[in-house]
Amino acid sequence: TQLLEQSPQFLSIQEGENLTVYCNSSSVFSSLQWYRQEPGEGPVLLVTVVTGGEVKKLKRLTFQFGDARKDSSLHITAAQPGDTGLYLCAGALSNDYKLSFGAGTTVTVRA
Amino acid sequence: DADVTQTPRNRITKTGKRIMLECSQTKGHDRMYWYRQDPGLGLRLIYYSFDVKDINKGEISDGYSVSRQAQAKFSLSLESAIPNQTALYFCATSDLAGEGDTQYFGPGTRLTVL
Repeated sequence: TQLLEQSPQFLSIQEGENLTVYCNSSSVFSSLQWYRQEPGEGPVLLVTVVTGGEVKKLKRLTFQFGDARKDSSLHITAAQPGDTGLYLCAGALSNDYKLSFGAGTTVTVRA
Repeated sequence: DADVTQTPRNRITKTGKRIMLECSQTKGHDRMYWYRQDPGLGLRLIYYSFDVKDINKGEISDGYSVSRQAQAKFSLSLESAIPNQTALYFCATSDLAGEGDTQYFGPGTRLTVL
């Protein structure tokens, strides 16, 4: 059983549509991160959220950390083919410097 | 040049063989990690090291060993490879600075055990 559950596992949408990826847990995290991984490469950090209720925006990507710091979401507005990739959430429990990763959501944006 | 490099990038081996995967970094980070990635399971931590004299087991360390030769080098060994160790292996570094613990990943090693 994974500490962080991501949904959906796969998402295929048309260019211009919006999408949301969810990351949920029963545990409380001191921080939560989102990474994107492209084929043949390692994951690359997109954002870190640390405060319950925090919302961060990165161009067309909006990240939200739940009030109780147990869940997070990633919303992409007007998706583009360049957004295609594997999106991973990762959380650090309090007093633990290690990250626990979700299984990932594979996003495909069709032109 | 890449900040985190892994060698080899691809390796095919047979059951029972000893395999070493190497990781080097130029970021000057003290913390280094080895993960394996399997479809549908995400990244799972094998071993991690917070400095040259510190080695810790992760959640799936059985069948693996590591060596931290220097701040910049962290090697992963499979003493006797078995088919269910077929996976994508990633090395990562971090330097707890600012908020969170950003990890910087290498490009990965695809290992196939026949």
